[in-house]
Amino acid sequence: GQNIDQPTEMTATEGAIVQINCTYQTSGFNGLFWYQQHAGEAPTFLSYNVLDGLEEKGRFSSFLSRSKGYSYLLLKELQMKDSASYLCAALDSNYQLIWGAGTKLIIKP
Amino acid sequence: GAVVSQHPSRVICKSGTSVKIECRSLDFQATTMFWYRQFPKKSLMLMATSNEGSKATYEQGVEKDKFLINHASLTLSTLTVTSAHPEDSSFYICSATGTGEVQPQHFGDGTRLSIL
Repeated sequence: GQNIDQPTEMTATEGAIVQINCTYQTSGFNGLFWYQQHAGEAPTFLSYNVLDGLEEKGRFSSFLSRSKGYSYLLLKELQMKDSASYLCAALDSNYQLIWGAGTKLIIKP
Repeated sequence: GAVVSQHPSRVICKSGTSVKIECRSLDFQATTMFWYRQFPKKSLMLMATSNEGSKATYEQGVEKDKFLINHASLTLSTLTVTSAHPEDSSFYICSATGTGEVQPQHFGDGTRLSIL
């Protein structure tokens, strides 16, 4: 079956760096997305990786290893507003998006 | 770019009422639109996928006669919850993708539906 695994919850300190891991098992693979979702709001698109390697976008970076079925989202210089759920989603061979349950990130001052 | 507008943002109504939710892509043509449901502290649950001009594809367990989806144009899709009951209370979110092989889904702000 198809499956996405990511930690349920993580805690980090303001100003620090945090890495949110995601492993996936899908029927075929056409890329991996990361979304941010604040409580009570809809998700917003953060990144898309389809090739191996690191994609950097400001304070956020996303990494992909297709051979390992693994991705991570790296958040630097954490701010209180980064407290949110981070959703990992993989695109399978039918271009269907398989969603993870999300990682709730708690930022402490 | 890639703005999706969803309306209304909140609905409170009596049991038995039908509720229509609109999803519009404001600055791009949405070849595919998606409707999700999300319960508190849970992940997104895909309800259906709709392509402009064709019938929606519903996920297993989602009643198509209960949740009517219309995707009449490249910028508008609607979800109608017919004869809503308290168990239909939830956060409903639409998303849309543009043309091209792989496009991220861009989400509307969601509609919080409360059925009394």
